[in-house]
Formats: sequence, C-alpha cells, structure tokens
Amino acid sequence: DTAVSQTPKYLVTQMGNDKSIKCEQNLGHDTMYWYKQDSKKFLKIMFSYNNKELIINETVPNRFSPKSPDKAHLNLHINSLELGDSAVYFCASSLSTTPYNEKLFFGSGTQLSVL
Amino acid sequence: AQKVTQAQTEISVVEKEDVTLDCVYETRDTTYYLFWYKQPPSGELVFLIRRNSFDEQNEISGRYSWNFQKSTSSFNFTITASQVVDSAVYFCALRGVNNNDMRFGAGTRLTVKP
Repeated sequence: DTAVSQTPKYLVTQMGNDKSIKCEQNLGHDTMYWYKQDSKKFLKIMFSYNNKELIINETVPNRFSPKSPDKAHLNLHINSLELGDSAVYFCASSLSTTPYNEKLFFGSGTQLSVL
Repeated sequence: AQKVTQAQTEISVVEKEDVTLDCVYETRDTTYYLFWYKQPPSGELVFLIRRNSFDEQNEISGRYSWNFQKSTSSFNFTITASQVVDSAVYFCALRGVNNNDMRFGAGTRLTVKP
C-alpha cells in the first residue's frame, strides 16, 4: 500500500486552465504539506496543514488554494495556470509538527507542465 | 532564520570511488534536527537519515556514513565505494523547534559512472 499517494502523476494543460492535484496519506499522520520543486530541483514549502488547519502559508500566489477535507487528504487547486507554474509538486506528511524531529514521507510527485 | 547550503551542485565520480557531499546549515535554534534525502532518477524522495543537534556521534550504515560537526555547522554525507545505483540528487534538510516545516538545501546531483 502506498503511504502517500498523489494523483495525477503527470498533468499537461494549457495556460489559463484550472487544475487540481489530489493527495492522500494512509499513515494516520496529522500534518500534511505541499512542496514545489522547480527545474533546478530546488524544493520549497508551499503549504502545511495540521489536523485540517492551515499552519504554513508561504509566499505563494493566491491562485494556489489548498483544501483539506480531513486530515488524511490535502488537495491543491490551481487557478489560471501560468507557464511559471510548471514544476513537480510533492505532497508529504509527518506524524505531527511536533516533535520537530519527525521525518517527512513524500508522495511520488506530480509533474505539471503548462503549455 | 533557517538555511541549508549545499555548495556542490553536481559531482561526477567513477564507480568504486568514495565521495563526500557537503551540507552546511544555519539556525538560531539550539535544538534542531538534520536530515538527508535521496531523489533517484525515478523522482521519489527517499529518507536516509535523521540526526538531532545533541548527538554528534558519526553514523555508518553500510556504504553510507554521516559526519555531524556542530562547531562548523556541517552535516556531511560520504558514500564509500560508490555504485551506479547511487546516482541521484541528494538533499540535506533542517527542521528546528521553532519551525513547522523542513527546509531543504538546493541538492547535489551525484553521477556515478561505470
């Protein structure tokens, strides 16, 4: 069973479209994250939810909106897609935000290509 | 503020060579954890090791070893007798008591040639 699963794995779309990426974890973790990895492989935190509550909201365009219907799911919706949104988006989870030694479990990533 | 620096963008070695990946960090927290992750060509991120700021003992796991030196704020990773399967991007990361997220370095791309 996949611990952190995200769909789709690949997403190719036109500029201006709206798209969603879904993430689910079956580890019973309280905290979930979205990271963006750019073409240079740099990983940057976007959002984090703890028990469905937003705890991290980095400087991300408001076209990006996370939604956590329950603590096992954290979806990412992107409006009006732009070329610069092309990247790999990783979902991750951890047991909790504390203790802070908790390692992150990552999904396999979603390669988003905006044409 | 927290920061992780991996100055080596790319390293290329020949199989069986030893290679060390450098990681230098900055944090104001006195208590923190350091991590290494591996990202093979398939793309997933694989956890390798976790170290807390109070434990400077070096760790060895098979061909992998880690050297944590608080005095130089470094947490370096050495692969002994490298193999082609070690080819990947390796990320060093830091998580402190006052931060809710894990901060990653820019990664080091290691290529091991046969």
